[in-house]
Parts: sequence; structure tokens; C-alpha cells
Amino acid sequence: GENVEQHPSTLSVQEGDSAVIKCTYSDSASNYFPWYKQELGKRPQLIIDIRSNVGEKKDQRIAVTLNKTAKHFSLHITETQPEDSAVYFCAASNGNAGNMLTFGGGTRLMVKP
Amino acid sequence: DTAVSQTPKYLVTQMGNDKSIKCEQNLGHDTMYWYKQDSKKFLKIMFSYNNKELIINETVPNRFSPKSPDKAHLNLHINSLELGDSAVYFCASSSGQGAYEQYFGPGTRLTVT
Repeated sequence: GENVEQHPSTLSVQEGDSAVIKCTYSDSASNYFPWYKQELGKRPQLIIDIRSNVGEKKDQRIAVTLNKTAKHFSLHITETQPEDSAVYFCAASNGNAGNMLTFGGGTRLMVKP
Repeated sequence: DTAVSQTPKYLVTQMGNDKSIKCEQNLGHDTMYWYKQDSKKFLKIMFSYNNKELIINETVPNRFSPKSPDKAHLNLHINSLELGDSAVYFCASSSGQGAYEQYFGPGTRLTVT
């Protein structure tokens, strides 16, 4: 089955700096890569996703890049703000079997004001 | 309007008891899921249901039994609760084939004493 590794497990940055979180996946058939943000005590919420036919996607301060050959993808947050502090999860899916998502272990991002 | 709802939000019970968690979605989605999030925040798929049929069971003990009376509801029944079942359980839903975003419910924090 799919295995998703996520690094780092914790990340502390100063407000205004950039943050990068990296994930690798094992199943070359995976074709969908979402990123979820989970604030303390809240539900995971999708912030951005990318499909395997695209190498990069941006949405304001957030961008995701995908390298299919190396089987890794990354989340980039620019101009970080204190409200970006949360746990971020990457995930991968091959779109089969009910759109099963395999999640990475999560990254706790702390943005210091 | 609540897209995916779960009840109860908190559940405290003793070992050996049987309990149920209810989930409802009003998004018209065909696929619903149950995830377990342990104390280390790791998110793992438990079940996936598509149009009321179980299509994934990720090595979950048979003490856990999902029940889907219709495609808008997916309930989770747990028999003979154990200490290790303590976790946050999230219900989620997504559209059928071709649409991958999963919408999560607010979670149910289960504590087994």
C-alpha cells in the first residue's frame, strides 16, 4: 500500500518568513496530493491540492510543488502569519478504492510574532 | 449550514462498554469515511463507504462495525471498548469518481477509562 513520509515534524519560523514542508510517497500510481490544515481542536481542512498532471500550483501565499519522478511534493507558505500556526498534513491518493487518502505524519508549524 | 456533522462531540466511557458515533453529511456525496486520529495526531483511514457499500477496511478490529442506513449517514459502532481505542474519530465525505476533496466532520473525542 501507499506510504507517505512527512518532514519536518515540527517547524518554528518568525512571522514574515517562509515555511516549507516536504512529503515523499511510495506508490507511483498516486495522482492526487492534497494538503490539510488542522488547527488545535478543529477538523482538518483542505488548503490546497495538486494533481499529477501539474507541477506547481499557487493560491495566494500558499504553493505546492510536485516532482513525480522523485515522488515528492512540498508545501510552501510565504509571508507567514501567526494564524498559519497549525498542524499541516500532506496526503496521497491513486483515486481508486473510494478515493482513499494516505496521510503523512503531520507537521506542527509555529509562527512566532 | 453544517456540511458534515458528528454526534457526540465527546464520549467518555469505561472499558468493555459498547458505544456508537453518528455521522451525517448534507453535501450529496457518494463516499463517506471514518478516520482515527491518535494522541500523536496521526490520521489513519478506518473505513470507506461508497453508496452504502463498504469498499475499504484497513485492518481495523472487528469490534468496530460501520453502518450506513443511506448514503448521507455513516455510523460507527464499537464493541468491547479498550483503552487503546481512545482517540479522536473523524467522519469525512467526498464526491464520487473524479472529485477527491474530503470534507471532515468536527470529530468525536472518545476517552476510554
